[in-house]
Amino acid sequence: NAGVTQTPKFQVLKTGQSMTLQCAQDMNHEYMSWYRQDPGMGLRLIHYSVGAGITDQGEVPNGYNVSRSTTEDFPLRLLSAAPSQTSVYFCASSYSTTGGNTIYFGEGSWLTVV
Amino acid sequence: AQSVTQPDIHITVSEGASLELRCNYSYGATPYLFWYVQSPGQGLQLLLKYFSGDTLVQGIKGFEAEFKRSQSSFNLRKPSVHWSDAAEYFCAVVGGFQKLVFGTGTRLLVSP
Repeated sequence: NAGVTQTPKFQVLKTGQSMTLQCAQDMNHEYMSWYRQDPGMGLRLIHYSVGAGITDQGEVPNGYNVSRSTTEDFPLRLLSAAPSQTSVYFCASSYSTTGGNTIYFGEGSWLTVV
Repeated sequence: AQSVTQPDIHITVSEGASLELRCNYSYGATPYLFWYVQSPGQGLQLLLKYFSGDTLVQGIKGFEAEFKRSQSSFNLRKPSVHWSDAAEYFCAVVGGFQKLVFGTGTRLLVSP
């Protein structure tokens, strides 16, 4: 059972380039989300999805785009990368949108924008 | 809005000494609370969680946490720290739709 899988683990981008961070889960979870982690700021929610075809913005959505065409996958797109998007990105999933469920995290994707 | 405060940015503890990491939350309803640990360059590992019931929660690696509603706190404790416990620790509360709100983290240093 793979859990939550993120790719790539490391990526260097040039300013203005676009890329997609992939996230896949094999637990049939309804809820998936993306966080970014920056020093001294903890993890902040970028976007989330409560099911296939349904997405919404989190705390820091600007510069990112998401879609959820299947239950398993929740890719995060950087449309035009900026140095401020240098961060560690975590994908998470859980079984349902009610509060009493464990939230599982991927291993993280380290992104540097130069 | 929900929020989590971890007042200690860094804590240094001697190996074998006890540990308490503080976490205060702000949430209107019954909170669902988590502690995660992150080693350098690694992902997040769940240490323990509180959903309801017994306010003293046992987790992995010998950690426990106590939920105190009157103090809006969920402090993490360990009776005897090991060098391998050096890491960053995050407290989080679940908001609506399973959205986690994290504290800014506490970095634990373990001295010999």
